[in-house]
Amino acid sequence: QVKLQQSGAELVKPGASVKLSCKTSGYTFSTSYMSWFKQIPGQSIEWIGMIYAGDGGTGYNQKFKGKATLTVDTSSSTAYMDLSSLTTEDSAVYFCARMDYSSPGYFDYWGQGVMVTVSS
Amino acid sequence: DVQMTQSPSYLAASPGESVSISCKASKSISNNLAWYQEKPGKANKLLIHSGSTLQSGTPSRFSGSGSGTDFTLTIRSLESEDFAVYYCQQYNEYPPTFGSGTKLEIK
Repeated sequence: QVKLQQSGAELVKPGASVKLSCKTSGYTFSTSYMSWFKQIPGQSIEWIGMIYAGDGGTGYNQKFKGKATLTVDTSSSTAYMDLSSLTTEDSAVYFCARMDYSSPGYFDYWGQGVMVTVSS
Repeated sequence: DVQMTQSPSYLAASPGESVSISCKASKSISNNLAWYQEKPGKANKLLIHSGSTLQSGTPSRFSGSGSGTDFTLTIRSLESEDFAVYYCQQYNEYPPTFGSGTKLEIK
């Protein structure tokens, strides 16, 4: 079955960067899109951006341009998100979710989420 | 960005009852709306897409309706596993945006 396994919780200092991973299995990675999301506990979900695993093409929410960089490693069926110049406002849970090429716009499988805490 | 307004933000009900959750878009989104279920410690689950199409595996007690700007998620004959947080999401235009969520709790 389809699985998206995210890396563990992160505690990072302000100004630093962090790279989150989302390892997939159970489907053809290279023919799907992967999106990333931010959710501050108790608040709604924000879409950060997406990447097409087939060619690495990306699209970002204007709000997160310069903050997030999405990449993939097709050899390991893993998607990554780099978050840079972290501030306390970046403390949140981050999710990855698949968007199948046949179901444009909605997200049929999600990772479990990873908590990123930015603190000195 | 399309704003999604969800109500109520909190709902208490008993097993066996039926509940409805509203989601309103700030502009017409046709039927490009999905509903998700969030439970602690579990991955978010896609319940419904295209406004009313049940995702494979979604129990038939869930239903979605609406088009344009007004949408409703209805859960009939609540079961214990249904107590969770529900979100709507529009995908008519980028960026996709979500409602603020509805927490469904046991009365």
